[in-house]
Amino acid sequence: KNEVEQSPQNLTAQEGEFITINCSYSVGISALHWLQQHPGGGIVSLFMLSSGKKKHGRLIATINIQEKHSSLHITASHPRDSAVYICAVKSGGSNYKLTFGKGTLLTVNP
Amino acid sequence: GAGVSQSPRYKVAKRGQDVALRCDPISGHVSLFWYQQALGQGPEFLTYFQNEAQLDKSGLPSDRFFAERPEGSVSTLKIQRTQQEDSAVYLCASSLTPGTGTLSNQPQHFGDGTRLSIL
Repeated sequence: KNEVEQSPQNLTAQEGEFITINCSYSVGISALHWLQQHPGGGIVSLFMLSSGKKKHGRLIATINIQEKHSSLHITASHPRDSAVYICAVKSGGSNYKLTFGKGTLLTVNP
Repeated sequence: GAGVSQSPRYKVAKRGQDVALRCDPISGHVSLFWYQQALGQGPEFLTYFQNEAQLDKSGLPSDRFFAERPEGSVSTLKIQRTQQEDSAVYLCASSLTPGTGTLSNQPQHFGDGTRLSIL
């Protein structure tokens, strides 16, 4: 079993829909990252959080440390949001390694 | 430069050839990471540098893989005697502070990766 599990693996939505992507992890962590990867490989860091909730534009990320679970929400989705969204965790205060989920492929149709 | 730069973007090599992949981190960034991303998978950790010191190479899949960062800035990942299973996207990331300790929770900035195809 992977240390980081994402669901769903693939998600197709219509423009304007509210999107939720989930991430569960099995280890104690110091931080959780949400990353966006467009075709061609480049990865952009969206959020880094260790508790609570963060918001940036139409993106919202939440984390529940007790339940070892995080969600990424996209409000009013747009075709340009189409990408792979990856959850990654850094375990422990002295561990620099990121462990990644397999990613969720999001396609938003116009 | 403004971001992490990797070159080449694409590399095709024949099985058995040696390849070298370059990473230019953000200027002044202490930490540098290499990751390997197979098709349809998330990235996997290969190795970590703090300045010029390679503090962790536990993710390197075999002794054919070698990484260096001799002056604490540019890094090169070298793969000797390439095999088909080495085909992947190789990602480099850098962060401002050391990867351990109280300042370690800094975001990693990723390059666009090098897509390596071994024929």
